[in-house]
Amino acid sequence: DAGVIQSPRHEVTEMGQEVTLRCKPISGHNSLFWYRQTMMRGLELLIYFNNNVPIDDSGMPEDRFSAKMPNASFSTLKIQPSEPRDSAVYFCASSWTSGNQETQYFGPGTRLLVL
Amino acid sequence: SQKIEQNSEALNIQEGKTATLTCNYTNYSPAYLQWYRQDPGRGPVFLLLIRENEKEKRKERLKVTFDTTLKQSLFHITASQPADSATYLCALARDDKIIFGKGTRLHILP
Repeated sequence: DAGVIQSPRHEVTEMGQEVTLRCKPISGHNSLFWYRQTMMRGLELLIYFNNNVPIDDSGMPEDRFSAKMPNASFSTLKIQPSEPRDSAVYFCASSWTSGNQETQYFGPGTRLLVL
Repeated sequence: SQKIEQNSEALNIQEGKTATLTCNYTNYSPAYLQWYRQDPGRGPVFLLLIRENEKEKRKERLKVTFDTTLKQSLFHITASQPADSATYLCALARDDKIIFGKGTRLHILP
């Protein structure tokens, strides 16, 4: 298996623009997680899905952020409009049990810079 | 609020020695604790999981202890090698909640 795939790997955009990050989880996994990592705050869970259904989105910073999982093999995280403080590395991870109970497999991340 | 503390400063260890990393937590009762390794420009990679009813877990040169009374986990790398240099994250979870520490940067000096 190729592991968790994320695209793009790097994104540079201007404030106010819409940003869409994409994730393909490992085949057979039924849970998917979106994280944001910064030096100041470390790794923060934004939202997670189980069987394509959002279970906990309490980590989503504000309404500018939204996430979807239309099927078991694809998820998106959208920021609209983007702001400089959104600059961070965004990771997607997947696992094969419900919730956080087991090992998570992380993708390589998307490094986002909002100017 | 829930809080996880890991050594905020980098840890320098001579090759061949045992590296010990600390993870302390407050206001939380995790069902289990995980340790991950993260290399620059990459996502975290799972290393070990230890449950609340376990005191110690080993995997090759790695050993993790979990003291729920002290609210602390120790992560040991024996016979350390320069290839062990990375950032190590601890993560605590219960039910559907997981929180990560900020990680400790470990440098193994040749």
